[in-house]
Amino acid sequence: QVNLLQSRAALVKPGASVKLSCKASGYTFTDYYIHWVKQSHGKSLEWIGYINPNSGYTNYNEKFKSKATLTVDKSTNTAYMELSRLTSEDSATYYCTRGSSYIYHPYNWFAYWGQGTLVTVSS
Amino acid sequence: AIVLNQSPSSIIASQGEKVTITCRASSSISSNYLHWYQQKPGAFPKLVIYSTSYRASGVPSRFSGSGSGTSYSFTISRVEAEDVATYYCQQGSSNPFTFGSGTKLEIK
Repeated sequence: QVNLLQSRAALVKPGASVKLSCKASGYTFTDYYIHWVKQSHGKSLEWIGYINPNSGYTNYNEKFKSKATLTVDKSTNTAYMELSRLTSEDSATYYCTRGSSYIYHPYNWFAYWGQGTLVTVSS
Repeated sequence: AIVLNQSPSSIIASQGEKVTITCRASSSISSNYLHWYQQKPGAFPKLVIYSTSYRASGVPSRFSGSGSGTSYSFTISRVEAEDVATYYCQQGSSNPFTFGSGTKLEIK
């Protein structure tokens, strides 16, 4: 069964960076893009961007281009998102999610989600 | 960016009642790219409907979707207590992929 296991909650200081992880299992890691989604407390969902684990190609929401950096480690089937220069506006739950097949169903729905990582930015 | 205007923002329904949520896009979207999610409190979103009208695996038949162009809808034919959640539409057509603002469903 498909599973996306995310790293635990993080408490970070303003101005610092944090790197979140998302370990995939139960499918061929390189066959599906990994997307990242932000949800501030009590708010809707914001798409940050995706990475193609096969090629490393990334596609970002312009809003997050200078905030987030997506990478993968194919040897461990793990995707990463680094958030830089953190402010209180970055306090949120961040989800990794597997996109629909980019070959057969390139319609970008998200059927599998990690449990989310809560990032709290506070001094 | 394609803005998805979702309405209503909240619904209070009785068990067994039919509820409908609408999602209006600021630009036309192919129906293949419009999807719906259910998010229960404290949980991650769950895909309910993909490509406008296809139920995701394991989703009960009381959930359905329809629409085209800029106007889409999501219906629960007979609401059950377990359906209490916030529902979101999402478009995967153009960057940035966007979500609606959500509709919170409560039971009377």
